[in-house]
Amino acid sequence: GQQLNQSPQSMFIQEGEDVSMNCTSSSIFNTWLWYKQDPGEGPVLLIALYKAGELTSNGRLTAQFGITRKDSFLNISASIPSDVGIYFCAGQRGSGTYKYIFGTGTRLKVLA
Amino acid sequence: GAGVSQSPSNKVTEKGKDVELRCDPISGHTALYWYRQSLGQGLEFLIYFQGNSAPDKSGLPSDRFSAERTGGSVSTLTIQRTQQEDSAVYLCASSTSQGNQPQHFGDGTRLSIL
Repeated sequence: GQQLNQSPQSMFIQEGEDVSMNCTSSSIFNTWLWYKQDPGEGPVLLIALYKAGELTSNGRLTAQFGITRKDSFLNISASIPSDVGIYFCAGQRGSGTYKYIFGTGTRLKVLA
Repeated sequence: GAGVSQSPSNKVTEKGKDVELRCDPISGHTALYWYRQSLGQGLEFLIYFQGNSAPDKSGLPSDRFSAERTGGSVSTLTIQRTQQEDSAVYLCASSTSQGNQPQHFGDGTRLSIL
């Protein structure tokens, strides 16, 4: 099925470093979501974005809805070991379109 | 709990057998989704239910896959004559009826076909 381009695919970082990842599409989206998935569990919603240019924070996490509406970014500040996991973006094209298309995931590993 | 509940959490079966996976959505959520996640991959949309409307089955990979939702609540995903390539984690999600509301996921059923 169709998936969004998400990068990087994986990253190893030192504890305390900041992390950035992004999701891009050739299509315009009206909603962007960011999820985190821990091993053996389902994805958990981190941040939801509904407006182009919107910047939303959730603790150390900040996500932005790209102004072109074709991309979104997630930043994690001062990473800690429990940030390890797989981060997924998901985009929805608009009203009347209920399907979310998911990114391929960014696998984050934090080195203590 | 108040979250999406899936059962069983793990299922191992022999090739050729039929399997049923169950999803109990969050109370009051009228939209229900099934996804498949292969090892190390993203989420592949399978099927969507919204209230009493006809389900969107466009993501089902073959006619061996089917799903139903009884009484607008619990859903069952059935895979007939399982094949080894069916091995994956099957995730269920639910959301409110409004189209752009986020989906909330269960922990999935890990299906292994021997």
